[in-house]
Amino acid sequence: DGGITQSPKYLFRKEGQNVTLSCEQNLNHDAMYWYRQDPGQGLRLIYYSQIVNDFQKGDIAEGYSVSREKKESFPLTVTSAQKNPTAFYLCASSMTGTLSTNEKLFFGSGTQLSVL
Amino acid sequence: AQSVTQPDIHITVSEGASLELRCNYSYGATPYLFWYVQSPGQGLQLLLKYFSGDTLVQGIKGFEAEFKRSQSSFNLRKPSVHWSDAAEYFCAVGASNAGNMLTFGGGTRLMVKP
Repeated sequence: DGGITQSPKYLFRKEGQNVTLSCEQNLNHDAMYWYRQDPGQGLRLIYYSQIVNDFQKGDIAEGYSVSREKKESFPLTVTSAQKNPTAFYLCASSMTGTLSTNEKLFFGSGTQLSVL
Repeated sequence: AQSVTQPDIHITVSEGASLELRCNYSYGATPYLFWYVQSPGQGLQLLLKYFSGDTLVQGIKGFEAEFKRSQSSFNLRKPSVHWSDAAEYFCAVGASNAGNMLTFGGGTRLMVKP
């Protein structure tokens, strides 16, 4: 089945530790996105990538890093600089990265990150 | 910059009753508008979207939404709610000059009473 796979579903981070969230898509989409979801605040964009080997900061990029070495993969690293990392993280992809009537975001099922 | 407000954090309706979820946006030009639904612990699924044309948009699962430019609103409606509609609903706005970067509202959690 085509889709977006996020792993793990649950992740725990110790103080001062970096952790990496995985996002893989087999939809052959050019664009990929990372969102952070906190209760009552909707989704906020962390990073996005519209093409391999290129990515841009979103609204809340501080304390996070990404890479886009392959079209199908867009891992997110939550670094120790992110002081409040507990949240639900959603990865998404879209065909071209440009809004149009035929374009939409496909979402993964998310990773819940908690601090120990 | 665009913004989205969903005034109702929680809504409870009885099964079979009608539903309206409110969404107000702020954007200087004609926006692209979306409604998404999220089940607990899951990703978001697109219900419907408005780009242009007919201001009444039909979506999946019997939902519809109406774009009202004069009120800067894009309210989601369903004539008869089913227990399986219990979920969180997000309104989002996109701009033609902002790629696929959507701005999301804070969400409305819908509970359905038997």
